[in-house]
Amino acid sequence: GEDVEQSLFLSVREGDSSVINCTYTDSSSTYLYWYKQEPGAGLQLLTYIFSNMDMKQDQRLTVLLNKKDKHLSLRIADTQTGDSAIYFCAESRNTGGFKTIFGAGTRLFVKA
Amino acid sequence: GAVVSQHPSRVICKSGTSVKIECRSLDFQATTMFWYRQFPKQSLMLMATSNEGSKATYEQGVEKDKFLINHASLTLSTLTVTSAHPEDSSFYICSAKGGLTWETQYFGPGTRLLVL
Repeated sequence: GEDVEQSLFLSVREGDSSVINCTYTDSSSTYLYWYKQEPGAGLQLLTYIFSNMDMKQDQRLTVLLNKKDKHLSLRIADTQTGDSAIYFCAESRNTGGFKTIFGAGTRLFVKA
Repeated sequence: GAVVSQHPSRVICKSGTSVKIECRSLDFQATTMFWYRQFPKQSLMLMATSNEGSKATYEQGVEKDKFLINHASLTLSTLTVTSAHPEDSSFYICSAKGGLTWETQYFGPGTRLLVL
């Protein structure tokens, strides 16, 4: 199948860590991505991880990949109100043509 | 680097008219561009993939005669919604692949289309 699944909603308090989870089904995925979308805007690439990596850290963002379980997570440390947005998990695969499959998005709400 | 622009950012048109949306990669050459449609509170739906100088590949269920895609150069792709109807109202987002990280797509800011 082509499913990429995410929980739809997450609420955290400002200063706490946020963890957004994603599962995917295709083991041939090459890259996995996290995008951020603010209201009325396009998607901003936050970070990506190659499928042979387990972890990637970039400032407040930590991506963990469990390839065996096909589970990807995004941890945002010290979450700020400006982090409130929709976060999309996506996987890309090149099977006779490049294709990226997006999850439905997780809406992160940060309470001050 | 890797900036993608779209124009216009929003457009209102009458039913039956055609609307053209431009997608430009500003600082890199985009070998491939993608057009997505996003409904409120939903994920992105891939409409078509276009490679410079060749015909676009449309996803199943997307009418190629209604959504005309032209990828005339390595920095410009256009989507024309022909004979637009209210059900075509949506948020259209383009993305471009190329540059240093060839596997990664960079997205434009989107175009909100409202058909009256």
